[in-house]
Amino acid sequence: EAGVVQSPRYKIIEKKQPVAFWCNPISGHNTLYWYLQNLGQGPELLIRYENEEAVDDSQLPKDRFSAERLKGVDSTLKIQPAELGDSAVYLCASSLGRATGELFFGEGSRLTVL
Amino acid sequence: GESVGLHLPTLSVQEGDNSIINCAYSNSASDYFIWYKQESGKGPQFIIDIRSNMDKRQGQRVTVLLNKTVKHLSLQIAATQPGDSAVYFCAERGSGGSNYKLTFGKGTLLTVNP
Repeated sequence: EAGVVQSPRYKIIEKKQPVAFWCNPISGHNTLYWYLQNLGQGPELLIRYENEEAVDDSQLPKDRFSAERLKGVDSTLKIQPAELGDSAVYLCASSLGRATGELFFGEGSRLTVL
Repeated sequence: GESVGLHLPTLSVQEGDNSIINCAYSNSASDYFIWYKQESGKGPQFIIDIRSNMDKRQGQRVTVLLNKTVKHLSLQIAATQPGDSAVYFCAERGSGGSNYKLTFGKGTLLTVNP
């Protein structure tokens, strides 16, 4: 069975440019997460979806970040405009439900903002 | 120059030795704890979990111990192998209501010497 797929793996952009990351969760997983991971730190939750509904987006900087999960499957995370401090790895994860702590993570999208 | 966030706690062990990775958690109301392993360039991978009504749980070559009195969690890896080299994160989840958010710690870098 395929795991969580993310693209692109690497992205380099100049500040103020937009960027988008895509995630395809494991089939049948209705809970999807976007995490931010800075170098040497643990992942920090940006947003959690239950099917197509964003149920926890309290940590998402809504002035420049947006996310969507149309049809409750694939998800896209967008940053517009990007800032230098946004350089990090953006991890997508999915799980069978919200109660489990067993999240399946993708390999992440590494963003470098110049 | 050095970058903030690169100073992970580190543990270096010889192949075949047992490893003990420690984690202090912050929320006394947390009722569920998970250990994740993250290899370089990959997303975190679930290892083992434990609920607050337990003080020990064993898996294959791994044991998690929970001491709620001092808010301490440990991961023991038996007969450590080179493939165990990675960053290990503990994560906690608050109890009650609709709060299913996992909070990850900073991580410990385990290096296994052949």
